[in-house]
Amino acid sequence: EIVLTQSPATLSLSPGERATLSCRASQSVSSYLAWYQQKPGQAPRLLIYDASNRATGIPARFSGSGSGTDFTLTISSLEPEDFAVYYCQQGSNWPPYSFGQGTKLEIK
Amino acid sequence: QVQLQESGPGLVKPSETLSLTCTVSGYSISSGYYWGWIRQPPGKGLEWIGNIYHSGSTYYNPSLGGRVTISVDTSKNQFSLKLSSVTAADTAVYYCARVPNSFFDYWGQGTLVTVSS
Repeated sequence: EIVLTQSPATLSLSPGERATLSCRASQSVSSYLAWYQQKPGQAPRLLIYDASNRATGIPARFSGSGSGTDFTLTISSLEPEDFAVYYCQQGSNWPPYSFGQGTKLEIK
Repeated sequence: QVQLQESGPGLVKPSETLSLTCTVSGYSISSGYYWGWIRQPPGKGLEWIGNIYHSGSTYYNPSLGGRVTISVDTSKNQFSLKLSSVTAADTAVYYCARVPNSFFDYWGQGTLVTVSS
């Protein structure tokens, strides 16, 4: 099973700042990496798929990069509604699909 | 607009079988794609349970030890989850989702299932 490790566990930033979230895979997942945003009491929302493609309706301030084992989600300028938990997920070598443990983006 | 809605009992006794159904609207399951179940214990991360293809092919998470069965009813545009021999560790919010390829694009709102006597 491929293990995904996200860092940092918690990221404290202010609105308007740039956020950089990392996801590292225990083995190559090619570009089969997705990012999700989850707010309290809500289902996860797909942000990025195939490492760098924005899902429908996702603002341009969200971008994804990377391939192989190292991936990054960047939020260029944080809006108040961006503070949430972010998960990465691999779909390269399944079953099983696997998720990272999450990064909590909190207001500083 | 694709929408998914989970339904089923919110409380299940230990050793019994958890049963949930996901009703899909805005898209015909018969048209294609995989359809999946994911769960999230309270305060914890996400765990994939399994997928079913519209044709009925299934894939399960080995970590669940063969306790999972997923089925599809294309006439009702629904797919279902059964998890047998549940324990308190199976208490979680259960989500259904559409799986176009290697990711989950549309999710249900989730339903909390508590395992308790």
